[in-house]
Order: sequence, then structure tokens, then C-alpha cells
Amino acid sequence: AQSVTQPDIHITVSEGASLELRCNYSYGATPYLFWYVQSPGQGLQLLLKYFSGDTLVQGIKGFEAEFKRSQSSFNLRKPSVHWSDAAEYFCAVGAAGSGTYKYIFGTGTRLKVLA
Amino acid sequence: DVKVTQSSRYLVKRTGEKVFLECVQDMDHENMFWYRQDPGLGLRLIYFSYDVKMKEKGDIPEGYSVSREKKERFSLILESASTNQTSMYLCASTLTGMNEQFFGPGTRLTVL
Repeated sequence: AQSVTQPDIHITVSEGASLELRCNYSYGATPYLFWYVQSPGQGLQLLLKYFSGDTLVQGIKGFEAEFKRSQSSFNLRKPSVHWSDAAEYFCAVGAAGSGTYKYIFGTGTRLKVLA
Repeated sequence: DVKVTQSSRYLVKRTGEKVFLECVQDMDHENMFWYRQDPGLGLRLIYFSYDVKMKEKGDIPEGYSVSREKKERFSLILESASTNQTSMYLCASTLTGMNEQFFGPGTRLTVL
């Protein structure tokens, strides 16, 4: 069965420090991978996605993620965190059925940024 | 600009009431989804729809039903609300195929 694991429930970093959020997936075929961000009281917004091609994917707000098939991982990174990055981050994998498509989400990582 | 709207941001209902949550998208998207979000559990798929009048169960459909009579509107129905359905409900849509999901702001439902 498809699944997504985000092993870190909470992460705290200082403003200006680098960030890496971990995501591991379980999926039998080539995965379609997504990272979303949810600011307090808001819906989710797409940061970036990987479907194929270059395994290093650039997204919005200075985020990037690297797909590593051998490790079944899709970790999110940012070189220098801003206070406005404090939010909850979700990794997701897309699963194709018989003409239908659904998405399995991880449990999320809540990021706190210290001034 | 792409938009998914949900009928209420906050809703308080009593146990046993029938509850309707409405979601509307203005992007002519084929697929629509209902999730519930609970702390520590992430987003769990309740139902999704890939066409008008078509629906498919997600991972936690028990206690819920859905309706999609028009392409732009997808309703989630709690036939008889229970306290364990207190949660944040998120609606999302995608164009077609495997694609980015666009989310509404969510409805925080409390069942007393």
C-alpha cells in the first residue's frame, strides 16, 4: 500500500539557518511527489512537485527538493529560513488507479522559526 | 486567479444533526476531493469525485456521503453528526490526471 512518512513532527530553526524536512514514501511505481505548505488558518499551497526528469526540483519561496529513488525519499530544503516560513509542511504522493487519481499525505512537520 | 471556496470557515452542530459542507471551484476542474485534517494524522481522504455524479470512496468514508450534481460543486454530507467528526475539513480540486491540488481554506466543524 502507498504511504508517506514524515518522521519529524516538529522542527525549530533559527532565522537564517538552513532547513531540511524529511519525507519517505512507499509506492510501487514511479512516484508523483509533492510538497505543500499550510500557514495558520489557511488551506494548503503547493511548494513544488516531482513527476520525472531532473531529480532536484525548484519551487516557490526559495524551496527545493531532491528525489532519491534508492532511498525512497523526497526531502525539502531551504538554504536560509525566514520567519515567514513558520508553517506546517506536508509531503504527498500521487497514486493512479483505473482512470482516477488520488493523493496520500504524510502527517506533516510543523516548523517554528526563532528570531 | 484559481479559487476554491468553502461555504463556512467555522461550524458548530449538535450530535445527530445532518450537516452539509459545500465546496465550489471556479477552474473547471474535473476532480474534487474532501479531506479531514486532524493533529498528528495529517490529511485523510474521505471521498473524491472524478466527474459529475461520479464518486469514489477514500480511506475514511464511514459516516459521510457526497454529492456532485454540477462540475463546480462538491458537497460533503454528514448524515448524523457525531462528536468524533469534530475536525477540520478541506476541499481540493485538480484539473485532470495527476496534477497539483488547489485547496480551499477549510471548515472547522465542531460537533457538540
